[in-house]
Amino acid sequence: GENVEQHPSTLSVQEGDSAVIKCTYSDSASNYFPWYKQELGKRPQLIIDIRSNVGEKKDQRIAVTLNKTAKHFSLHITETQPEDSAVYFCAAPWGAGSYQLTFGKGTKLSVIP
Amino acid sequence: DAGVIQSPRHEVTEMGQEVTLRCKPISGHNSLFWYRQTMMRGLELLIYFNNNVPIDDSGMPEDRFSAKMPNASFSTLKIQPSEPRDSAVYFCASSRSDYGYTFGSGTRLTVV
Repeated sequence: GENVEQHPSTLSVQEGDSAVIKCTYSDSASNYFPWYKQELGKRPQLIIDIRSNVGEKKDQRIAVTLNKTAKHFSLHITETQPEDSAVYFCAAPWGAGSYQLTFGKGTKLSVIP
Repeated sequence: DAGVIQSPRHEVTEMGQEVTLRCKPISGHNSLFWYRQTMMRGLELLIYFNNNVPIDDSGMPEDRFSAKMPNASFSTLKIQPSEPRDSAVYFCASSRSDYGYTFGSGTRLTVV
């Protein structure tokens, strides 16, 4: 199955600064890379995803970049706000065509006002 | 759409008792997943159904765990007998064939 490594495990930034979370995956056939946000006591929610036919995708203050050669993808949050504080998870499928996602261990982001 | 519905939200039970968690996926979603979340192990996939058929149950910890999906709108995860180390948040998620998961609100299980 897929092995997904996520770094860092915790991240603190000042409000207004940018935050970057990185993930690596092992299966070169993987073709879909989502990011989930989980607020305390709530369910993970999909915030952005990218497919392997593009290198970058942006949605307002969040963006995801993908480097298939190096097998890593990153989440970028700009102009961070206190409500961005949460745990963020990356994920990758167990190879192309698989619907099962393997999740990273998560990054706890704290945005300091 | 009401989203993925899980019940109960919280369950406290004594060691050795049977526990049944329930999930109603989003209508039209053909894949259903049960995950367990703990601080130590993060989000672990327990079992995956596609079109009501179990496809991969390699994540089920041991024989004490079982899952069923009798129809497209209902799934159960059963633990019998329960043990304290089963304490965790159990999430059900569903998706169509385009990967995007929608998670339910989870069941927080405490086994004492």
